[in-house]
Amino acid sequence: GQNIDQPTEMTATEGAIVQINCTYQTSGFNGLFWYQQHAGEAPTFLSYNVLDGLEEKGRFSSFLSRSKGYSYLLLKELQMKDSASYLCAVLDSNYQLIWGAGTKLIIKP
Amino acid sequence: GAVVSQHPSWVICKSGTSVKIECRSLDFQATTMFWYRQFPKQSLMLMATSNEGSKATYEQGVEKDKFLINHASLTLSTLTVTSAHPEDSSFYICSARVGREVQPQHFGDGTRLSIL
Repeated sequence: GQNIDQPTEMTATEGAIVQINCTYQTSGFNGLFWYQQHAGEAPTFLSYNVLDGLEEKGRFSSFLSRSKGYSYLLLKELQMKDSASYLCAVLDSNYQLIWGAGTKLIIKP
Repeated sequence: GAVVSQHPSWVICKSGTSVKIECRSLDFQATTMFWYRQFPKQSLMLMATSNEGSKATYEQGVEKDKFLINHASLTLSTLTVTSAHPEDSSFYICSARVGREVQPQHFGDGTRLSIL
């Protein structure tokens, strides 16, 4: 079966750095997405990785290792508004998007 | 950037009512739209994939006669929850994609449906 694992919940301090991990086992791979979802709102797109390595976008970076079936989202200089759920999703060989359950990130002052 | 509009935002209605939710792509043509359902503290569950001009593809376990999807144009898809019951209460979200599958999905704001 297809499986995506993310921690259920993480807590971090304002101004700090946090890394949210995602491991996946899917039938094929055509890229990995990260989305942010605030409570009661729809997800918004953060990043897409299809090649190994680190992609940086301002305070957010996303890393991919296809050989390890692993990705992480790195958030720097955390702000209170970063409190949200972060969803990892993988595009499989049939171009079906497989969603992880999401990681709820709690930022404390 | 790509914008998806979803209406209504909130619906509260009696059991047995049918509810229609609209999803529009505002500044692009969306060949494919997706309908999701999300229960509290759970992840997104894909209900169906809607392709313009053809029948929707439903995920296993989703009743196609209960959740009617119409994608009549490249900018509009509708989801009708027929004869809704309290167990259908959920957060329904649509998304659309510009171009190929490797492009990100852009989500509407979601519809919170409460059936009394």
